[in-house]
Amino acid sequence: DTGVSQDPRHKITKRGQNVTFRCDPISEHNRLYWYRQTLGQGPEFLTYFQNEAQLEKSRLLSDRFSAERPKGSFSTLEIQRTEQGDSAMYLCASARTGLFNEAFFGQGTRLTVV
Amino acid sequence: AQSVSQHNHHVILSEAASLELGCNYSYGGTVNLFWYVQYPGQHLQLLLKYFSGDPLVKGIKGFEAEFIKSKFSFNLRKPSVQWSDTAEYFCAVTTLLMNYGGSQGNLIFGKGTKLSVKP
Repeated sequence: DTGVSQDPRHKITKRGQNVTFRCDPISEHNRLYWYRQTLGQGPEFLTYFQNEAQLEKSRLLSDRFSAERPKGSFSTLEIQRTEQGDSAMYLCASARTGLFNEAFFGQGTRLTVV
Repeated sequence: AQSVSQHNHHVILSEAASLELGCNYSYGGTVNLFWYVQYPGQHLQLLLKYFSGDPLVKGIKGFEAEFIKSKFSFNLRKPSVQWSDTAEYFCAVTTLLMNYGGSQGNLIFGKGTKLSVKP
């Protein structure tokens, strides 16, 4: 396994701008998760995919957030019209489908909205 | 919807002390349970997992956890902590989706417990 890769590692953007993050899961992992983590909190579930299908999206996620996984491999998370409250670490994880498989996490993308 | 509660926000121990971190989840169905650890500056890593069978599971670095179904708990323990155990610990639960052949659903985390071990 080469691990879950996220790009960029850090992003500073001005309020109102759009940002896009990329996640490359471990190959052959068809389950992919996105989380947001702020200081002192646990990872907050955003959405997850099985292959290219988005199976669930958090009700807390505003319409400014969208995620895609067009070919069932890498995934992108886009935030439109960023707000200061979007500043957080965005985590991606992947897992094999099945009953007994844990998720593996990437290093995350730290977003700062100024 | 399922949720995970971790009772302690910050635990401070001296080396060689015993550790127990509480975790409770709310979901009546079949669950898979995990403890993840995040060392300073590093990504989340799996400590241990429970899927079925023996409710006492052993993980890496001497950690273990006990699943008590009647209490909806999955507490993490270590008999003797080391300074290198200083990290943040997260309990997580995933449910099984019967309409997807019993595969795992989304993975929900608790807020975490920060462990500081004094040398």
